[in-house]
Amino acid sequence: GESVGLHLPTLSVQEGDSAVIKCTYSDSASNYFPWYKQELGKGPQLIIDIRSNMDKRQGQRVTVLLNKTVKHLSLQIAATQPGDSAVYFCARSVGYSTLTFGKGTMLLVSP
Amino acid sequence: DAGVIQSPRHEVTEMGQEVTLRCKPISGHDYLFWYRQTMMRGLELLIYFNNNVPIDDSGMPEDRFSAKMPNASFSTLKIQPSEPRDSAVYFCASSFSRKNEKLFFGSGTQLSVL
Repeated sequence: GESVGLHLPTLSVQEGDSAVIKCTYSDSASNYFPWYKQELGKGPQLIIDIRSNMDKRQGQRVTVLLNKTVKHLSLQIAATQPGDSAVYFCARSVGYSTLTFGKGTMLLVSP
Repeated sequence: DAGVIQSPRHEVTEMGQEVTLRCKPISGHDYLFWYRQTMMRGLELLIYFNNNVPIDDSGMPEDRFSAKMPNASFSTLKIQPSEPRDSAVYFCASSFSRKNEKLFFGSGTQLSVL
């Protein structure tokens, strides 16, 4: 069935390093891909999104790449800080359908 | 705006009891969602409303679950009777104009059914 898969459940990096979180998806009709960050004890928060008519989108210290050919997404966080420690979810939707979330990747940033 | 407000933050109850979770969406948002989060299944959409009307409840696990939205500023998710397998974090989220974009989540209700 349709799904949003993850490559790594946990990623540990040193403060200042870059972190790359990857996702795959199976439905080629998916056209909207948001990334959410969930800190401990809080709800998910949108950090960046990308549509299928784009390959790359940049925000503040975050970059999302979309490879539609192989149905891969990645979220890069530059110059990581301890405050970046959280669970990161990729999600996708088809048209204006509701979101399907992946299981999440935990990012741990060590000082 | 204070964001999406959920109550209670934590609920511990015994199997068979009725549980009611509450949500106040962001003012002006016309979509409201109820999600359940578990380690095994991740974030699952249970039901969503548009302009206070339930649109899709296909994610509701079974008849023990019900949700209402009597007005634009309040929604409830009720479980009756509760079972241990209902233990999870329940999130309410709201959005403006789109059901897939810019969802704002509350802090969730941690439910434990003993």
